[in-house]
Amino acid sequence: NAGVTQTPKFQVLKTGQSMTLQCAQDMNHEYMSWYRQDPGMGLRLIHYSVGAGITDQGEVPNGYNVSRSTTEDFPLRLLSAAPSQTSVYFCASSHRTESYGYTFGSGTRLTVV
Amino acid sequence: RKEVEQDPGPFNVPEGATVAFNCTYSNSASQSFFWYRQDCRKEPKLLMSVYSSGNEDGRFTAQLNRASQYISLLIRDSKLSDSATYLCVVNTGGFKTIFGAGTRLFVKA
Repeated sequence: NAGVTQTPKFQVLKTGQSMTLQCAQDMNHEYMSWYRQDPGMGLRLIHYSVGAGITDQGEVPNGYNVSRSTTEDFPLRLLSAAPSQTSVYFCASSHRTESYGYTFGSGTRLTVV
Repeated sequence: RKEVEQDPGPFNVPEGATVAFNCTYSNSASQSFFWYRQDCRKEPKLLMSVYSSGNEDGRFTAQLNRASQYISLLIRDSKLSDSATYLCVVNTGGFKTIFGAGTRLFVKA
């Protein structure tokens, strides 16, 4: 049982490039989300989904797009990378009832130069 | 004011010590509460949920005080392996989950 799988683990982008961070879970969780973590700050929610075909914005959505075509996959797209998007990105999933807590992927360390 | 606030630490304690972390939250309508543990350069992992009645898991005890809007985590008999960052997490409903910035713990031999 793999849990939540994120790829890639590391990435360096040039300003203006685009890329997709992949996230897949095999626990049949309905809820999936993307967070970014910056030094001295808590995890901040970028986008989330409560089921296939349903997505919504979190606290810091600008510059990112998501889609949820299947229950298992929730990719995060950076449209035109900026140095301010240098961060560690975590994908998380949960059962529909939020009281269960989240399972996180191992993270993607992104540097934009 | 941040929605979830934690003392950033670091807390430096010897093995065997008891250490307590506190966390305050601003939204009185918050519904569920958690403590997560995050090792250096790793993902957060759920440590325990927090209930109004208090709950215990081995050496770890969590408490919630809704009237004062704070959450605590007590670690007894600290081990070297407890060294990590502890994140206070509050859910205000509808999957709106707020993470604290974390409290760093170093346990030394």
